[in-house]
This record gives sequence, structure tokens and C-alpha cells, in this order.
Amino acid sequence: EDQVTQSPEALRLQEGESSSLNCSYTVSGLRGLFWYRQDPGKGPEFLFTLYSAGEEKEKERLKATLTKKESFLHITAPKPEDSATYLCAVPPFRLDSGAGSYQLTFGKGTKLSVIP
Amino acid sequence: DTGVSQNPRHKITKRGQNVTFRCDPISEHNRLYWYRQTLGQGPEFLTYFQNEAQLEKSRLLSDRFSAERPKGSFSTLEIQRTEQGDSAMYLCASSLSENGYTFGSGTRLTVV
Repeated sequence: EDQVTQSPEALRLQEGESSSLNCSYTVSGLRGLFWYRQDPGKGPEFLFTLYSAGEEKEKERLKATLTKKESFLHITAPKPEDSATYLCAVPPFRLDSGAGSYQLTFGKGTKLSVIP
Repeated sequence: DTGVSQNPRHKITKRGQNVTFRCDPISEHNRLYWYRQTLGQGPEFLTYFQNEAQLEKSRLLSDRFSAERPKGSFSTLEIQRTEQGDSAMYLCASSLSENGYTFGSGTRLTVV
């Protein structure tokens, strides 16, 4: 059974204090990975898709990286508006396999609080 | 295109009552998903539609739960004989391909 573990569960940062969130997974074969951001009372918002080990994606202050066993979400000089829960998820098949529909397995998320 | 729309946003119901939620996906998206999320947990997959066909169902989806997507447009999720353990956020998402979903804001169900 696929398992996704995110750490830490919660992280408090001062504004401008860079850090990283971790997502580790036990799946049979690297299939790619998604990162989402979720604000309280809202649905997850898509951030990144990573397909293969060594891949990196960036968006504003966020950079996501992927290895064969884990992914990191690096936050550079965060601002209070970056406060949210960050979720990662893995699919049941390789994202580029054309296998069709999939049910994502999500981690529990990391709740990030950025203090002014 | 206003994204994925879910109604109602909040629902409070008494134990044993039936409830129905609606999801309107992004119009050109042929794939639609239902997830459930409880406090402090990530979303858990419930079911998936491609057009009007329900192609996947989770073991979490007991026989009290039923989902439909008539004509491949909007979808409804019905819970019969609600239990307190059904209290959760019910999330709908849609996609056109495997490259990430667009989620709605969810329906928060409270069973009292």
C-alpha cells in the first residue's frame, strides 16, 4: 500500500526565514508527485507536478525538488501570505504512462505559519 | 470559467438523515473526483468519473454513499442514514488530464 509521510507536521517561521518541507513516500517505482497548498476552509490549490528524479519546479518563493524516495518544498524568504497547509500526493501509476484515471494518495500535510 | 463549484458550502444534519451534495466541474473537464478530508488529515479518495461513467470506487465508499454524474456534467454525492463519523469536508475535483486536479472549496458536513 502506498504511504506518504510529510514532515514536520507544523512549522513556524519568521518572515524571511527560509526552510524546507519534506515529503517521503513508499511506493513501488517512482511515479511522479504533486504538491498542493490548502488554506483553511478551502480546497487544495495545485502548485507543482514533478515527474522524475532530479526535476525541479519553481513558483515565486517556492521550489519543489524530487528524488527517488522523497520530495522537498523549499520556501525562500517566506511572507505571511505563504501561511497555509502544504500537501503532497502520489498517483497509483506513472504520471506519463497514459494509464488513465488515478486516485491520489495524500500525506497529512505540513501546516506552515509565517510570523511577521 | 469560475473553477469547480460545490454546494452547499456547509451542511448540518441530524444523524440518520440523508444529505446530497452537488459539484459543478470546470466545463471542459471530463474527469471528476470526490474526496473526503477530516481535520488534520490529507484528502482521501472516494470515487472517480470519466464523463458519466463511474470508473473507480474506494473501499471507504460504503453502501450508504452513492454518486452520480448524469450526462457527464455536474455530479451529486448522496449519503444515506448519516452517522457522526461522516462529519468531514467533502471535496470535488476535476481534470482534463493526469496533470493535476482543480479542487472546489468543498462542502463541510456536520452530523449532530
